[in-house]
Amino acid sequence: AQSVAQPEDQVNVAEGNPLTVKCTYSVSGNPYLFWYVQYPNRGLQFLLKYITGDNLVKGSYGFEAEFNKSQTSFHLKKPSALVSDSALYFCAVRGLYNNNDMRFGAGTRLTVKP
Amino acid sequence: DGGITQSPKYLFRKEGQNVTLSCEQNLNHDAMYWYRQDPGQGLRLIYYSQIVNDFQKGDIAEGYSVSREKKESFPLTVTSAQKNPTAFYLCASSTLSELFFGSGTQLSVL
Repeated sequence: AQSVAQPEDQVNVAEGNPLTVKCTYSVSGNPYLFWYVQYPNRGLQFLLKYITGDNLVKGSYGFEAEFNKSQTSFHLKKPSALVSDSALYFCAVRGLYNNNDMRFGAGTRLTVKP
Repeated sequence: DGGITQSPKYLFRKEGQNVTLSCEQNLNHDAMYWYRQDPGQGLRLIYYSQIVNDFQKGDIAEGYSVSREKKESFPLTVTSAQKNPTAFYLCASSTLSELFFGSGTQLSVL
């Protein structure tokens, strides 16, 4: 069964600095990898996904993620953080054929300070 | 607007009471899901439905029940057998490659 790990409960960065939110995964076969963002008392919003192709995936709101097969990682990055990026970020992985086995990480709370 | 509507936003349950959370989608998706979110634990799958009149248990189905009589609707009932129901409940529907989420229902016990 697939799984993801988000090793950091909390990430703090200053506005304007680059940010990285880490994710590692475990899956048999090729992974489908996702990043979602959650604002307080709201559902999850899709940011980006990796299915195949370029290892650098660009998504919404200036975020990007780098797929690294050898390190089984899919870290979320942004070159210049905004205060409005402060939220809870979830990494997720699923197998090839359906969403029933989508597995989410525990989440990383990103705080961007002015 | 296309999307997933969950209601109510907040819900309180008394001891021994069953409560039902509503989820409606107008995205014409076949598949729908219910997740439970607890702080620090990510999302856990309760039930899912790939098609009308069919549904399957997820990882934590005990104490919950669902129905799927219409494509647009996938209500979740939290029964009295669920001893720790306080959580944030998220409904989702999906295309082949992506999940779309509602804005959630916070359930608390009185």
